[in-house]
Amino acid sequence: GAVVSQHPSWVICKSGTSVKIECRSLDFQATTMFWYRQFPKQSLMLMATSNEGSKATYEQGVEKDKFLINHASLTLSTLTVTSAHPEDSSFYICSASKQDRTDTQYFGPGTRLTVL
Amino acid sequence: GNSVTQMEGPVTLSEEAFLTINCTYTATGYPSLFWYVQYPGEGLQLLLKATKADDKGSNKGFEATYRKETTSFHLEKGSVQVSDSAVYFCALRGTGNQFYFGTGTSLTVIP
Repeated sequence: GAVVSQHPSWVICKSGTSVKIECRSLDFQATTMFWYRQFPKQSLMLMATSNEGSKATYEQGVEKDKFLINHASLTLSTLTVTSAHPEDSSFYICSASKQDRTDTQYFGPGTRLTVL
Repeated sequence: GNSVTQMEGPVTLSEEAFLTINCTYTATGYPSLFWYVQYPGEGLQLLLKATKADDKGSNKGFEATYRKETTSFHLEKGSVQVSDSAVYFCALRGTGNQFYFGTGTSLTVIP
């Protein structure tokens, strides 16, 4: 089956620092990956669509300069939370779909970010 | 725009009870509809899907029917098991392949 990994699985950082989260499709290529944010006991909120080789498309209300997305290859997308603050603490989840354009999205296990 | 409204939990049922989790949606066009499940400590997993009106998705005893007239995709299972305890998310897939999720419903099944 298709596997999506995320690294790190959890991270704690000081306020004002930047944190990079990686999302990898391990056994398939993904031209498009998605980044979500999940607050405790709440739903996943789509943040942005990451397109390989081009700029990411952000959902309304998501700060582009705050959440930098780079999709450098067909198997890797990164989300960098710049100048993190405590309100950025959350669970960040990525997903990817195979290039065969099926409906199936494969989700990563998520990254827990805590900003002190 | 696209949105999903899902029955709030938590839901607690006894083993072998009947389960219904309501889900309604708002969408432009004709979206595909999904139910995802998240077991404790794990990522989201696809449970079932339906891609057009009147389609019924089914898997592991769970079923959901795509009702265009009521814009609903309610999840049902006739007899739940302890192993079904998880958080269930209703979702729709937009035209750009993005997913929009409901708030999730936590299910606990007690023996």
